[in-house]
Amino acid sequence: SQQGEEDPQALSIQEGENATMNCSYKTSINNLQWYRQNSGRGLVHLILIRSNEREKHSGRLRVTLDTSKKSSSLLITASRAADTASYFCATNTGTASKLTFGTGTRLQVTL
Amino acid sequence: EAGVVQSPRYKIIEKKQPVAFWCNPISGHNTLYWYRQNLGQGPELLIRYENEEAVDDSQLPKDRFSAERLKGVDSTLKIQPAELGDSAVYLCASSLDSWQGNTGELFFGEGSRLTVL
Repeated sequence: SQQGEEDPQALSIQEGENATMNCSYKTSINNLQWYRQNSGRGLVHLILIRSNEREKHSGRLRVTLDTSKKSSSLLITASRAADTASYFCATNTGTASKLTFGTGTRLQVTL
Repeated sequence: EAGVVQSPRYKIIEKKQPVAFWCNPISGHNTLYWYRQNLGQGPELLIRYENEEAVDDSQLPKDRFSAERLKGVDSTLKIQPAELGDSAVYLCASSLDSWQGNTGELFFGEGSRLTVL
């Protein structure tokens, strides 16, 4: 079963625009992570935010976490064609070292 | 430093045939994961190893799937016999030791794409 659910399922924007993806989850977390997956490739870690953090930045990425709403968002600013990929949130829950992935958002950035 | 290495990258077999996937994690990573990813979906955990011990195999279909991690390094995932529904990408990942359940970054291999005809 999948803990997280991303919204939207698919997003198409033009280069230079910002892209926002949302993730909702069901149970309390230790941390939440975002990954990117290019077509036919493995997943690449982007950023990790702990349950006691509310916002985190990494380059053009900004992640927010609202534990009261059990949701997170990933913002990619000034998008580039190379950002075209699927983006997944993953939640780390409980006392086991378990990472559960969401269903993903497919981002298409056009020139 | 080499990343997580998986082989083969692609495998096409007929149903009822056996298949095996191999994974070499990043050196020093004690935790190893096997995930299955169906088309258009997120990865789903099959099994997690801490060193040589399988600490979470609750999602592994044990009637046909088996896995091993000898000497706490390389791992093999086997399916025997394969069914049509096993067509998917099998992803291996590794990470450093976690602390009190806090899992850090996972490093993924490129995956093994299985097609069962």
